[in-house]
Amino acid sequence: LAKTTQPISMDSYEGQEVNITCSHNNIATNDYITWYQQFPSQGPRFIIQGYKTKVTNEVASLFIPADRKSSTLSLPRVSLSDTAVYYCLVGDMGSWGKLQFGAGTQVVVTP
Amino acid sequence: GAGVSQSPSNKVTEKGKDVELRCDPISGHTALYWYRQSLGQGLEFLIYFQGNSAPDKSGLPSDRFSAERTGGSVSTLTIQRTQQEDSAVYLCASSRDRYTEAFFGQGTRLTVV
Repeated sequence: LAKTTQPISMDSYEGQEVNITCSHNNIATNDYITWYQQFPSQGPRFIIQGYKTKVTNEVASLFIPADRKSSTLSLPRVSLSDTAVYYCLVGDMGSWGKLQFGAGTQVVVTP
Repeated sequence: GAGVSQSPSNKVTEKGKDVELRCDPISGHTALYWYRQSLGQGLEFLIYFQGNSAPDKSGLPSDRFSAERTGGSVSTLTIQRTQQEDSAVYLCASSRDRYTEAFFGQGTRLTVV
C-alpha cells in the first residue's frame, strides 16, 4: 500500500483558502486518492476522491498532477466549522477500506 | 437506519473483563469495517467484512480480538481479557460495496481501568 505524507497541522483565518498537500511517491497504477474529514468525537466523513487531474464537488477540490505522486486538497473560503483533521488515503478502490489513515492534518480556522 | 449506529457510545470496564461492541450498518450495505483510534492518532484498520466472504482479519492486534457479522448486517467486536492499551475509540463503518465511500458511526469510547 502506498505510504502518504501530509503536514501535521495548518492554521488559517476565516474566508481564506486552505490547501493541504499529500505526498504519495509510491502510488500504484490502480490506486485512487481519497480524502476524509474528521471532527472531534465523530467518525471520519468522506470529502472527495480522484484519480488524476482535477475533481471538484460542493465541499472541496482535489488537484492531482500528471505524475500522481502528490495531491492537493483545496478548501475554498474556510469557516470556523472547517476546523478538523483531514486524512489523505491512497489505495486500490477494492481495498481502500483496509487503509491506514495516518495522523492526518489538523486544520485550525480562527476568526 | 439513516446512518451507522454503534453501541454503547461509552464503555468503562475493568482490566481483564470481556467487552462487546455493537455496530448496526446502513441497511443494504454489504461492506463493514472496524477501526480503532487511540487518542490523537489516526485510524487503525482492524477487520473487514464483505458480503458472505470470509472476513479480512489482518488488522486484529491479538487473538483477544474477534468480530462476527450475523446475517450480513449487525456486527459485534469482542475484546477478551481487556488490557489498558485497549483503551481507544472503536469506529465502525459500512459501504454499499468495497468500491464505494464508507460511512462511519460515532464510535464507542472504551476505557479500561
